[in-house]
Amino acid sequence: NAGVIQTPRHKVTGKGQEATLWCEPISGHSAVFWYRQTIVQGLEFLTYFRNQAPIDDSGMPKERFSAQMPNQSHSTLKIQSTQPQDSAVYLCASRQGMANERLFFGHGTKLSVL
Amino acid sequence: QQKVQQSPESLTVSEGAMASLNCTFSDGTSNNFRWYRQHSAKGLEVLVSIFSDGEKEEGRFTAHLNRANLHVSLHIREPQPSDSAVYLCAVSMGSNNRIFFGDGTQLVVKP
Repeated sequence: NAGVIQTPRHKVTGKGQEATLWCEPISGHSAVFWYRQTIVQGLEFLTYFRNQAPIDDSGMPKERFSAQMPNQSHSTLKIQSTQPQDSAVYLCASRQGMANERLFFGHGTKLSVL
Repeated sequence: QQKVQQSPESLTVSEGAMASLNCTFSDGTSNNFRWYRQHSAKGLEVLVSIFSDGEKEEGRFTAHLNRANLHVSLHIREPQPSDSAVYLCAVSMGSNNRIFFGDGTQLVVKP
């Protein structure tokens, strides 16, 4: 079991460019979460899919951020027109099923917007 | 080796009995520690943040940090069934201050 796989591990973009982050959840896990992590804010929830359907995107900035889960094996987080304040580590996590079960996190993608 | 390890993996306590969760980490120079609770479909809720050795209390939640022993714990006073959740330890480590998480402790509080 390779765990939750996130690619790339590091991404550097220029201000105004687009960034796409990928997540491959653990096989058989029905729930996928995206979080953004900074030293100041800690871990912030972004969005959540269950069985590929978007369930809650209340943490997503309304502009420029979007997430999809086209199939059960991967999810993407896309940031358009990236800004320096988007610099953070973006974490993907998956869960097998029930809400009280543990999350398995990927190692994260460190996004640096210059 | 995992940088942050939590124990136990699961814990069942009776309502009102103290619940104690443990977290060990690999870098004694770390100075940023948080305990999170995964309570529902959405939420990683921050419970306690602690940045220096000693004790930090937030309501019924108390964190104890001992960096010499590479250990931080969370104690939940008078736990209630609504406290049943997965608890995550998060430690900031390294020159880039990356935050590493433990795998979580699943707490069940029985009435």
